This record gives sequence, structure tokens and C-alpha cells, in this order.
Amino acid sequence: GAGVSQSPSNKVTEKGKDVELRCDPISGHTALYWYRQSLGQGLEFLIYFQGNSAPDKSGLPSDRFSAERTGGSVSTLTIQRTQQEDSAVYLCASSFFLIGYEQYFGPGTRLTVT
Amino acid sequence: KNEVEQSPQNLTAQEGEFITINCSYSVGISALHWLQQHPGGGIVSLFMLSSGKKKHGRLIATINIQEKHSSLHITASHPRDSAVYICAVRRQGAQKLVFGQGTRLTINP
Repeated sequence: GAGVSQSPSNKVTEKGKDVELRCDPISGHTALYWYRQSLGQGLEFLIYFQGNSAPDKSGLPSDRFSAERTGGSVSTLTIQRTQQEDSAVYLCASSFFLIGYEQYFGPGTRLTVT
Repeated sequence: KNEVEQSPQNLTAQEGEFITINCSYSVGISALHWLQQHPGGGIVSLFMLSSGKKKHGRLIATINIQEKHSSLHITASHPRDSAVYICAVRRQGAQKLVFGQGTRLTINP
């Protein structure tokens, strides 16, 4: 079946603008994760969802970042008033359940803030 | 000090060589993942393990829980194995993954 998809694949935005990044998980996967990979840096966790709820938002770097998930499926990561340090690849992953199952990664959205 | 440390950071080898990438972690974990990231950026999960050893094709992953150490081995390496290999752990009682910095592997023909 189809894998995890993300859109857009690339986004260039001006500093101060808001952006929305979308993730479509694999059908039936109840857990969904957002990660960020800055240039030359490792992956860092942002937030995860179990169903529509987000028990752990500890990785969100500031209150400019928010995420939601509706219908236990699609998730949107929103960054308000973007800053240059937000430039990174934002990756989404999903798994059948939180524990004991492998995560399947999407191709990522490359965000560039100019 | 990072919770997850990988070594080496960079590794260049000739085709056919046996490759070992190491991962050490400092916290109690419920699982350890090995991921592969190709130059295009896509990430593929190679292994998820909590004990012992797993094998898939030319790839072998081992973990020693007592020593808090895991290794990823590649036998008969090939240029297509060139990628960044990332170790990640799930802490006990938590859901999120904590990532190592990755090992950039280059296999020359």
C-alpha cells in the first residue's frame, strides 16, 4: 500500500510568514510522529500523536510551533511567524501503534525561510 | 554528553569490506532502532531490537542491554550501501525516539 506522504516537498517562505506542513500517514497507523532535521544536525523529536491526542509535545521548540491531527489520520504542523532558524527538513513518521512497532518515515518537507 | 553516541562519525571503505558501526547509549531503553538515510534524504527503518541479534540480508544488528551498546554490521559492502546510518533509542516509559548524530558511510567501488 501507499507509504507516508508529506506535502509540500519543498517550501520557501519569507521570515515572519506562517507555514503549514501536512502529513498523511499509512492507513491504519494510529501513531504519528513529527521530527526535524536541521542542516548538518541530527534528527530531533518534535511531537507525537496517538489517535488525535498529543501526549508529548515536549520537542516543540517554541510556542510558534503547533500541530494537530484530525480523524486519526492527517496531521498538520504549523509554524507561525517563521524565523530563519526554522529552516530544516521536517519529517513525519507513522506506526501501527506506539510500542513495539517500526516507524515508517515520509520523504520530508524541506523548509527554507529567507 | 549526548544520550546516544555513534562511532565512527564518518567511515570510508572499499567494496566488499565488512563494516561495523557502533552505538552507545546512557539511559534505560525499551527499544533501539537503526535507520538508513540516503543522500536524497529518505529514511528507512532497518531494524528495531530490544535484545539479541537480528539479520536482514547482508545487514546484522546486535544489542547488549547490560553494556548499553549496539552494533550494525554490513557484510560484503557495496557502493549502494553508502548512506548515513542513524541509531535511535526509545527510553523506558517514553514514546519518543532520541537519535544519535549518524554515521556517514561511503563505500568506494
